[in-house]
Amino acid sequence: QKEVEQDPGPLSVPEGAIVSLNCTYSNSAFQYFMWYRQYSRKGPELLMYTYSSGNKEDGRFTAQVDKSSKYISLFIRDSQPSDSATYLCAMSSHSGAGSYQLTFGKGTKLSVIP
Amino acid sequence: GAGVSQSPSNKVTEKGKDVELRCDPISGHTALYWYRQSLGQGLEFLIYFQGNSAPDKSGLPSDRFSAERTGGSVSTLTIQRTQQEDSAVYLCASNKDRGARGNVLTFGAGSRLTVL
Repeated sequence: QKEVEQDPGPLSVPEGAIVSLNCTYSNSAFQYFMWYRQYSRKGPELLMYTYSSGNKEDGRFTAQVDKSSKYISLFIRDSQPSDSATYLCAMSSHSGAGSYQLTFGKGTKLSVIP
Repeated sequence: GAGVSQSPSNKVTEKGKDVELRCDPISGHTALYWYRQSLGQGLEFLIYFQGNSAPDKSGLPSDRFSAERTGGSVSTLTIQRTQQEDSAVYLCASNKDRGARGNVLTFGAGSRLTVL
């Protein structure tokens, strides 16, 4: 079993839909959870950052972490064509020294159709 | 600079040639990483530099791959005797590696390598 599992998609939705992206993980030591967005031919950029369990909202984006189920989600409300990108989950057990142990999912490719 | 800068953005080379990829991290970021992103394979960790410490080379796939970081800033990833399976996007990232959000990586746009 891989440490982080993420459905690669592709996922295609109509504009305005609610999108749900998910990752599961096996390492219970993970405490820091991130979502990166990667546009075509660009590097990944940080979208959401959460620590431990709970929800975090930023505009149309909500990140959820359920450590008991080892499951994290990213919700996108009122999706826009500009949200079309690959979304990668990432997680680590540390925030400082040794943070090279950041583990990434393979990414989910999302297309929002006008 | 304001962001992580990588060059070249695209490189096409013939099998067996050597290539050098360059990364200029964000000023003040002590940690620098190289990742490889292949189609359908996600991000593969290659190497990590932190300050003056010995680099973590555990992700380098073979001895054809090497990297150095001069003066704690610019890094060069070298691939010798390139093979077709080396074709990928090579991403560089940097971070503070300490303090709040010290584990957040800032990525460059990548160097797309195609080996013919």
